[in-house]
Amino acid sequence: AQKVTQAQTEISVVEKEDVTLDCVYETRDTTYYLFWYKQPPSGELVFLIRRNSFDEQNEISGRYSWNFQKSTSSFNFTITASQVVDSAVYFCALSEAVRGNLIFGKGTKLSVKP
Amino acid sequence: EAGVAQSPRYKIIEKRQSVAFWCNPISGHATLYWYQQILGQGPKLLIQFQNNGVVDDSQLPKDRFSAERLKGVDSTLKIQPAKLEDSAVYLCASSLSHRSSYNEQFFGPGTRLTVL
Repeated sequence: AQKVTQAQTEISVVEKEDVTLDCVYETRDTTYYLFWYKQPPSGELVFLIRRNSFDEQNEISGRYSWNFQKSTSSFNFTITASQVVDSAVYFCALSEAVRGNLIFGKGTKLSVKP
Repeated sequence: EAGVAQSPRYKIIEKRQSVAFWCNPISGHATLYWYQQILGQGPKLLIQFQNNGVVDDSQLPKDRFSAERLKGVDSTLKIQPAKLEDSAVYLCASSLSHRSSYNEQFFGPGTRLTVL
């Protein structure tokens, strides 16, 4: 069965601190996709990144970076120099290559305090 | 480009009443998804359409939930009769295709349902 685990329910940091959000997944598929979404208080899910199972290169986008390690089935997300606007719930998700539906973790609520 | 539209944004009903939600996906997107997000949890897929056909409705409580996507564009999700445990945010998403290369999903703002 496919499953996504985000063990951190809530994280609170002070502005400018670095923070890493953990994501561990389970799947028997050899081809799959991993995603991170941000859900601000307004409620709309905002796409952040998609990685396929064949591409283990880490990715950096501004203050955001992602570390994908198939050996540990993890896809962690780091925010460098956090800002108050980063406060949101962050979801990690997994999708099969064939059907495309997303399986979400329970989310990690990040609070960045000034 | 307009995003995924949903209405209403909020709905309060009493248990055993009926309710319907509407979704208009991004123009040209063949695949449409309905998710249920209970407070404190991640979204859970209820039903997935490819054009006007159902791809996956394995987690849809079919005794009370129904959905349709006439003409392969707009979609309606209905609950009849509603139960207290149906209180949640109902999210609609769309993607160009369910095929792997195009399965980035864009989400609407959701409809927050409260069942009293």
